[in-house]
Amino acid sequence: SAVISQKPSRDICQRGTSLTIQCQVDSQVTMMFWYRQQPGQSLTLIATANQGSEATYESGFVIDKFPISRPNLTFSTLTVSNMSPEDSSIYLCSVVPGGLENTIYFGEGSWLTVV
Amino acid sequence: GENVEQHPSTLSVQEGDSAVIKCTYSDSASNYFPWYKQELGKGPQLIIDIRSNVGEKKDQRIAVTLNKTAKHFSLHITETQPEDSAVYFCAAEGGVNTGGFKTIFGAGTRLFVKA
Repeated sequence: SAVISQKPSRDICQRGTSLTIQCQVDSQVTMMFWYRQQPGQSLTLIATANQGSEATYESGFVIDKFPISRPNLTFSTLTVSNMSPEDSSIYLCSVVPGGLENTIYFGEGSWLTVV
Repeated sequence: GENVEQHPSTLSVQEGDSAVIKCTYSDSASNYFPWYKQELGKGPQLIIDIRSNVGEKKDQRIAVTLNKTAKHFSLHITETQPEDSAVYFCAAEGGVNTGGFKTIFGAGTRLFVKA
């Protein structure tokens, strides 16, 4: 398994601003992902964070809105840009440790409310 | 692509009774099926998983069954307790139609265990 720390855990943001969420893992992992969970909904994959290169975005998500960095095998950031109330969600960092284990583990999430 | 359907969306049981949540998937190449429990204010936590080379797996009060022919899998919780109350998500991973490593989640089941 892996221990995943996300910061901030919760924030209230003003419309039009941007916020960067950090994800730190206690060990090197093969894959890191960012998910969004809107209130009362399931988990939607935003992008795969690639170490040392541009993230791979899912349909409906673009780099200008959700820039992602992954400078090494234990750390990634997700920025939610130019926020609107529709961006109010839980943003979850997840990892796959790698090797023979392809299980996804999640952080505790960052709860963003945009006002 | 892969599609995972989960039923029921809400389930209410009396403490001590059993709870069953069912999921179906569309991609016959999927080979890994994890289940997650999400308590209020927390990230999803892996509770049990099953791979396509087995039909059933049990861990104390929790069991998962897999029918590859019918492409469905189920979560069984016996002797339910109030602390089992949470949202449960099934997921499917590994299908060739997912465009690489990608986990597709069901819509979730909100389980209420009444004391």
